[in-house]
Amino acid sequence: AQSVTQLDSHVSVSEGTPVLLRCNYSSSYSPSLFWYVQHPNKGLQLLLKYTSAATLVKGINGFEAEFKKSETSFHLTKPSAHMSDAAEYFCVVSDRLRGNTPLVFGKGTRLSVIA
Amino acid sequence: DTEVTQTPKHLVMGMTNKKSLKCEQHMGHRAMYWYKQKAKKPPELMFVYSYEKLSINESVPSRFSPECPNSSLLNLHLHALQPEDSALYLCASSQDLGVPGELFFGEGSRLTVL
Repeated sequence: AQSVTQLDSHVSVSEGTPVLLRCNYSSSYSPSLFWYVQHPNKGLQLLLKYTSAATLVKGINGFEAEFKKSETSFHLTKPSAHMSDAAEYFCVVSDRLRGNTPLVFGKGTRLSVIA
Repeated sequence: DTEVTQTPKHLVMGMTNKKSLKCEQHMGHRAMYWYKQKAKKPPELMFVYSYEKLSINESVPSRFSPECPNSSLLNLHLHALQPEDSALYLCASSQDLGVPGELFFGEGSRLTVL
């Protein structure tokens, strides 16, 4: 079965410094992987997705992630954090046994940005 | 602005009440979802509809009853809920169940059961 592990429950960075949110996945199939962001009291928004094309994926708001099959990782990065990046981030893998749509969420990483 | 609209945004109900949550999308998506999210937790899948038919039911208690009247609408009927059912209920849609693509989420309905 597919699963994702987000290695940090909370990450705190200073404004203007790089962001790294770590995600490892487990999948019996070639996975589709996603990062979603959730701001307080809001729904989830897709940041970026990997679906077997380029391994370096660029998303919205300056975020990007690199799919590394050898390390089974899909870490999310951003060169310079903004205050508005403070939110909960979820790494998600598609569950191909049940139709491909992303159904398996990681536990989430809360990103705090300090002024 | 989200393209998935959920109403109401907030709902307070007693354990004997009957209420409904509503979700609407006009993106032509054929798959729609209900998720439940407790504080500081990831969303948990409840139901999936594909082409207006129930495709996945994650063993949700019968006090939650989904309904998909047409391809744009998804309802969640609530009856005899428990306080532990208090949560944020998120609706989402996707182009199709079989295509690995993104889910579009609404902003959620925050439910409090007294």
